[in-house]
Amino acid sequence: RKEVEQDPGPFNVPEGATVAFNCTYSNSASQSFFWYRQDCRKEPKLLMSVYSSGNEDGRFTAQLNRASQYISLLIRDSKLSDSATYLCVLFTGGGNKLTFGTGTQLKVEL
Amino acid sequence: SQTIHQWPATLVQPVGSPLSLECTVEGTSNPNLYWYRQAAGRGLQLLFYSVGIGQISSEVPQNLSASRPQDRQFILSSKKLLLSDSGFYLCAWETTGKGTEAFFGQGTRLTVV
Repeated sequence: RKEVEQDPGPFNVPEGATVAFNCTYSNSASQSFFWYRQDCRKEPKLLMSVYSSGNEDGRFTAQLNRASQYISLLIRDSKLSDSATYLCVLFTGGGNKLTFGTGTQLKVEL
Repeated sequence: SQTIHQWPATLVQPVGSPLSLECTVEGTSNPNLYWYRQAAGRGLQLLFYSVGIGQISSEVPQNLSASRPQDRQFILSSKKLLLSDSGFYLCAWETTGKGTEAFFGQGTRLTVV
């Protein structure tokens, strides 16, 4: 089983729609969780960290479910500029490394 | 402020040729450093990470190697490139070793021909 699994998509949604991505992970010792955004042919950049209690940043809401070992990202009122690949990332302290999922591609259309 | 430099931005190399990609970080000390590779249409694969000078951990057996001769310098090398080494190589750093935000260089797009 892969350490981090994501649906690759693409998710094609109209502008203004709400879209959600899930990500599952296999290592229960994972300590920290993040969502990164990667634009085409660019480096990934941090979108938001994911906290156990769930957290919101504007139109973006992240959730963590440790019992079921998944994290989610909800985007409300999608904008054309949200089109990108969203990477699920987890940090494992024992191995001291960041592990990235393969990403979910989002395309927001007019 | 902290910055990360990675070069070159693009590289076309023949099969069997050597490789050296360099990454340097400014504005911080003792960062954790990472090399990732992203093949076309695929996710980021961790190749090497380093928690200090001369300390390199390898994640995937391959014909690549990494070195950290200075605190803020991380080098990815190969003696003989393979076609399968083509990809987008990214250097990243983060400071605390607790998985706080990782910052990426702009990447090197390597094509082995």
